[in-house]
Amino acid sequence: QKEVEQNSGPLSVPEGAIASLNCTYSDRVSQSFFWYRQYSGKSPELIMSIYSNGDKEDGRFTAQLNKASQYVSLLIRDSQPSDSATYLCAGRYSSASKIIFGSGTRLSIRP
Amino acid sequence: DTGVSQDPRHKITKRGQNVTFRCDPISEHNRLYWYRQTLGQGPEFLTYFQNEAQLEKSRLLSDRFSAERPKGSFSTLEIQRTEQGDSAMYLCASSLPPRLAGVRNEQFFGPGTRLTVL
Repeated sequence: QKEVEQNSGPLSVPEGAIASLNCTYSDRVSQSFFWYRQYSGKSPELIMSIYSNGDKEDGRFTAQLNKASQYVSLLIRDSQPSDSATYLCAGRYSSASKIIFGSGTRLSIRP
Repeated sequence: DTGVSQDPRHKITKRGQNVTFRCDPISEHNRLYWYRQTLGQGPEFLTYFQNEAQLEKSRLLSDRFSAERPKGSFSTLEIQRTEQGDSAMYLCASSLPPRLAGVRNEQFFGPGTRLTVL
């Protein structure tokens, strides 16, 4: 099992709808989880971080963490064409400073 | 601009040549990380520094790779005797000191250096 797993997509969502991105992680990843957005040819940009079970909202973005089931999700409400990008899920490696990334989910918002 | 900066942004080299990349972190960040990313994959951890101390190196980092952060500010990543398999985006990130970051450890990335080995 990979330490952080994501469906590679592409995930196609109509403009204005909710995009739901999911990620699962192994026992070696814990404590802190992150969602990064990466446009083609650019570097990752941090959009959300979450540390506690439950939901965390920031504008149109909601991150959800369920430690018992070992999954993290990102919801994007009112999806816009500018949200089309690859979304990287990452988690902090247990007792370490480094973070481990999934391979990313490509999201396409169709007008 | 107070973000992470990297230089150069692009590097094309011939197989067997040595290359060096530079990273300047956000000024109040004392942790600095290097990652490598290939097409269709997430960034892979290479190494990280806390101040000038290199605290961890990935097993992915062969002996052709070396990183330094001599004064605890900027860092360099050198690849000796480059191979075509080294072609990738090399990303640098930085984060706050542990006493300020706590469990957050949010890492912020620079624009990356894209290396092409011919």
